[in-house]
Amino acid sequence: GDSVTQMEGPVTLSEEAFLTINCTYTATGYPSLFWYVQYPGEGLQLLLKATKADDKGSNKGFEATYRKETTSFHLEKGSVQVSDSAVYFCALSEGSRDDKIIFGKGTRLHILP
Amino acid sequence: DGGITQSPKYLFRKEGQNVTLSCEQNLNHDAMYWYRQDPGQGLRLIYYSQIVNDFQKGDIAEGYSVSREKKESFPLTVTSAQKNPTAFYLCASSLRLAGAYEQYFGPGTRLTVT
Repeated sequence: GDSVTQMEGPVTLSEEAFLTINCTYTATGYPSLFWYVQYPGEGLQLLLKATKADDKGSNKGFEATYRKETTSFHLEKGSVQVSDSAVYFCALSEGSRDDKIIFGKGTRLHILP
Repeated sequence: DGGITQSPKYLFRKEGQNVTLSCEQNLNHDAMYWYRQDPGQGLRLIYYSQIVNDFQKGDIAEGYSVSREKKESFPLTVTSAQKNPTAFYLCASSLRLAGAYEQYFGPGTRLTVT
C-alpha cells in the first residue's frame, strides 16, 4: 500500500541555518503531496503542497519539489528562525474515491537562538 | 471566520466512563476525520466520513464510535472499551475525501483518563 517515510527527529539547528527534512513516498498512482506543520499544543496546518511531478510548493520561506524520479518531496528552508520550531509532517493523497491522506510519522525541529 | 472548533481543549475522565468529544466546522466541507496522536507519534486515523449519515472505520476504530447527523458536526465518543484512551485527539475536514484537497485541522482535545 501507499506509504510516506520521513527522517526521524529531533532535528536541532541554530538560527539562520539551512534546513532539509527528507521525505520519500511509495504510491501506485500519481499522488498529491503535502507538508503540514504542528506547533506545540495545536492542530496541524497546511504548509505547502504540490499536485504533479516537478511542481514546487512554497510558503513562509519553505519549499519542496515533487520529484517523481526519486519519489521524494524534501522540505527545505534557507534560513530557519526560532519560530520554526515545530513538528513537520509529510503526507500524500492518491486521489481516488476511497483514498485518504497518508501521513508520515512527523519530524520534530528545534531551532536554537 | 471559517474553521474547525473542538471542545473542550482539555478533558479529564475516570476509567469506565464514556466521553464525547465535539467537532464542528463551518467550512461547508463534505469530509470529516478523527485522528489520535500519542506523544512523539504520528497521526492514526480513527474514523472518517464522506457525507452526512455515512462514516467508515479507520485504522484504530476499536473502542470508539461516531455519528454524522449534520454536515457541520462529527462528534467522537471514546467508550469504556477503549483500552488506552489517554491521548491528543484531532478533528479535521476537507472539501472532498481525496485528491488534492488539503485537510483543515481543529486545535485538538487532550483527553486524560485516570
